[in-house]
Amino acid sequence: QVHLEESGPRLVKPSETLSLTCSVSGGSVTSYYWSWVRQSPGNGLEWVGFVFHTGATDYNPSLNGRISMSLDTSKRQFSLRLASVTSADTATYFCAALTGTTSGKFDYWGQGALVSVSS
Amino acid sequence: SFELTQPPSVSVSPGQTAAIACSGDKLGDKFVSWYQQKPGQSPVLVIYQDDRRPSGIPERFSASNSGNTASLTITGAQAVDEADYYCQTWDNTVVFGGGTTLTVL
Repeated sequence: QVHLEESGPRLVKPSETLSLTCSVSGGSVTSYYWSWVRQSPGNGLEWVGFVFHTGATDYNPSLNGRISMSLDTSKRQFSLRLASVTSADTATYFCAALTGTTSGKFDYWGQGALVSVSS
Repeated sequence: SFELTQPPSVSVSPGQTAAIACSGDKLGDKFVSWYQQKPGQSPVLVIYQDDRRPSGIPERFSASNSGNTASLTITGAQAVDEADYYCQTWDNTVVFGGGTTLTVL
């Protein structure tokens, strides 16, 4: 069983960088594509990106190069950085464990972190 | 980019069968997962690889995927099944459907 917990600032100013960390307990760090999924208020789920233990990453093209993700296997943490944020980036950010890609499924989810972008 | 289309809402009476569709170009050639999300909670996986149920998911949840449409079926829907449901697949990247709100009343 894998438990995920998000941490990081919940309020970010416009044009600054959003930073979140997800702590992983249980399971193998090498078994999953460690992912971020966000949900703006009242809207649906939007995949943000993932990082694999090899260092490989894949990001949602709609984020226009503003995103970077990293994984620290020794700390069992992975991180999200989203630069030049606007109010459109206000959302609940979930960290999640994706098993596989083509047949992939999100097996485990964190409880979510509501991040607001406001001055 | 690949898109998955779901109806915004589906409504059924308790005990009836609820069916939620998810459409996309040649979706039957891809694997589809389904997630249930209740207000204020994280999504929960209810179906993966088109028609497989994770342990702990009631048997009333079933699904299929063929042609351009995947479908989630809840046989004998209960009030506890009221939630938003999202389909998800992979097309060079993760893709989610827009979500369907299921009302049971």
